[in-house]
Order: sequence, then C-alpha cells, then structure tokens
Amino acid sequence: GQSLEQPSEVTAVEGAIVQINCTYQTSGFYGLSWYQQHDGGAPTFLSYNALDGLEETGRFSSFLSRSDSYGYLLLQELQMKDSASYFCASSNDYKLSFGAGTTVTVRA
Amino acid sequence: DTEVTQTPKHLVMGMTNKKSLKCEQHMGHRAMYWYKQKAKKPPELMFVYSYEKLSINESVPSRFSPECPNSSLLNLHLHALQPEDSALYLCASSQGASGVTDTQYFGPGTRLTVL
Repeated sequence: GQSLEQPSEVTAVEGAIVQINCTYQTSGFYGLSWYQQHDGGAPTFLSYNALDGLEETGRFSSFLSRSDSYGYLLLQELQMKDSASYFCASSNDYKLSFGAGTTVTVRA
Repeated sequence: DTEVTQTPKHLVMGMTNKKSLKCEQHMGHRAMYWYKQKAKKPPELMFVYSYEKLSINESVPSRFSPECPNSSLLNLHLHALQPEDSALYLCASSQGASGVTDTQYFGPGTRLTVL
C-alpha cells in the first residue's frame, strides 16, 4: 500500500519561505510529485523528483531523499496567490497516490 | 495545448437518474484517469485507461461505468447513485509512454450533487 504524510496547515506572510515536508511509505516507489490546488480548482502539476536532490522551478523547489523516504516542497517569496492546498503524490504503475494535502495560507 | 476539458461543470441528479460525465484531451495522451475528490480530501483514483483499454479499476461500485470511445475521449456513466457519491469528479491524462513517470494533467472537474 501507499502512505504519505504531510502537515495539514501552514500559515506564513507574503515574501516568506515555506517548506512542506512529505514522508512516504510505499511499495514500488518511482518518484514524488507535487500538485497545487486552489479552492474550487483542479490540481495543477508543480514538480516531479525521481532521483535524489533538488529540482528548482522558479520560486518553487522540490527535494527528494529516497534513502530517507522523504521529500519537501519549498515555496519562496510567497505571494497571496500561493494560498492553496499542496499535495505530494507517489508514482507507482500509472497510479498516483496522494497525501492528505497541506493548506497554505499567505497573510499580507 | 495542455488542456483537459470536462463537461458538465456542475450536475445535480436524483438517485434514479442516469447521467454521463465527459472528458476530452487533444494532447495525444494515451493514458486517461477518473478521480473522485471529496471536500478537503485528496483525489482518489477510480479508473485508469491505457491505450483505450481499462487497466485499473480501484474496486469502484458498478453504479459507475467508465467508457473510452477513442484516445481523446473518456466518459463516466452514472446510474443509481447515492448521496454519498456527491463529490468533485476529476479527469486526468498523461502521455502513457512510461506510465509511472508521466505527468498527469487534470481537467477542471465536474461537481456532482446526488439528491
């Protein structure tokens, strides 16, 4: 089975840096994805890590350590529009298994 | 074009009704998915189609019946649903070439209410 754990909520001010951690216990793990979902919207792909290390895409970065079964999403220079739910998801044979999601609230 | 479209956006149906949800993508993707998402919860996989054939059914009740008429279209036929089936139904697609490493692109969803 698949099990992913991430914090339920994070609150930060504009311009701050937020790190969302994700620990996983999965069989047949291929990689870790991150998705953003605004209220009433669809999940939007942010990043994917198959190998250990850091992937940077603009203000967002994602990290994976396969030996520690751990990854994180780093949101830098937070903006109000970053208020959303963020899901980590593990990939296994066409299947994405999602964590419960982290609600990020950005305050002015 | 990285767009997955879904119709209708909203659907209200009674427990005796039959309705269908539609999903379309024109990215040439060969894998398509149905997910169910309840409020404040993550998406839950229902079905996976790979190259127009059903490859995964996550033990979904038979009142949900998927159909893939061609490589661009995916339908979800609904019959005799229960109020607890009310949720956001998301369609997604991916290239399908490597399966596990493919990025999945989600449609905007159909918000279903069963009365």
